[in-house]
Amino acid sequence: NAGVTQTPKFQVLKTGQSMTLQCAQDMNHNSMYWYRQDPGMGLRLIYYSASEGTTDKGEVPNGYNVSRLNKREFSLRLESAAPSQTSVYFCASSEKSGAGRRYQPQHFGDGTRLSIL
Amino acid sequence: EDKVVQSPLSLVVHEGDTVTLNCSYEVTNFRSLLWYKQEKKAPTFLFMLTSSGIEKKSGRLSSILDKKELFSILNITATQTGDSAIYLCVCAGGTSYGKLTFGQGTILTVHP
Repeated sequence: NAGVTQTPKFQVLKTGQSMTLQCAQDMNHNSMYWYRQDPGMGLRLIYYSASEGTTDKGEVPNGYNVSRLNKREFSLRLESAAPSQTSVYFCASSEKSGAGRRYQPQHFGDGTRLSIL
Repeated sequence: EDKVVQSPLSLVVHEGDTVTLNCSYEVTNFRSLLWYKQEKKAPTFLFMLTSSGIEKKSGRLSSILDKKELFSILNITATQTGDSAIYLCVCAGGTSYGKLTFGQGTILTVHP
């Protein structure tokens, strides 16, 4: 079972370059998420997609865009990379967790380690 | 602002020791508290706690939630070197997407 697959695993960019991080899940989950993890700060939500066809901003969306390509795939794009975006990026997926529904745990990919020089 | 605070931030023990990891939270419209284990890669799900006072167990790991004191603990008995990891406490709030607030994590190192 693949679960949540992220590509690439590592990437080094120069300031100003653009990059798309790919994420795919095979669990038929409705909701998908992008996080970044920085030392001492825990994971912070960048963008999420509650269901196919919708995307919304999380806590730290500036400098990023997302595309929910279909139910399986959710990509994260850095249009003009900055050193402050050096981080480990995690994609996650879950069943819908809206009001009235039992909360469903998120399942994480292995992460993309991104360095911007 | 929602926050989740874990303690200690790091812990070094020897195999066979028992450890207790702490998590306190202040989260709007709290729904559930989750524990994840993160080794080199993806955080992996351990427990989800929704009700107070009901212990969840999986092998040597157990966890309990106190919704009155806004607190949870994760116990690991008879620790092994494979338990070395970052343990994340995460709270789910009652927004439309189940907003998660992450603690900083506790780095557990188990020496042989």
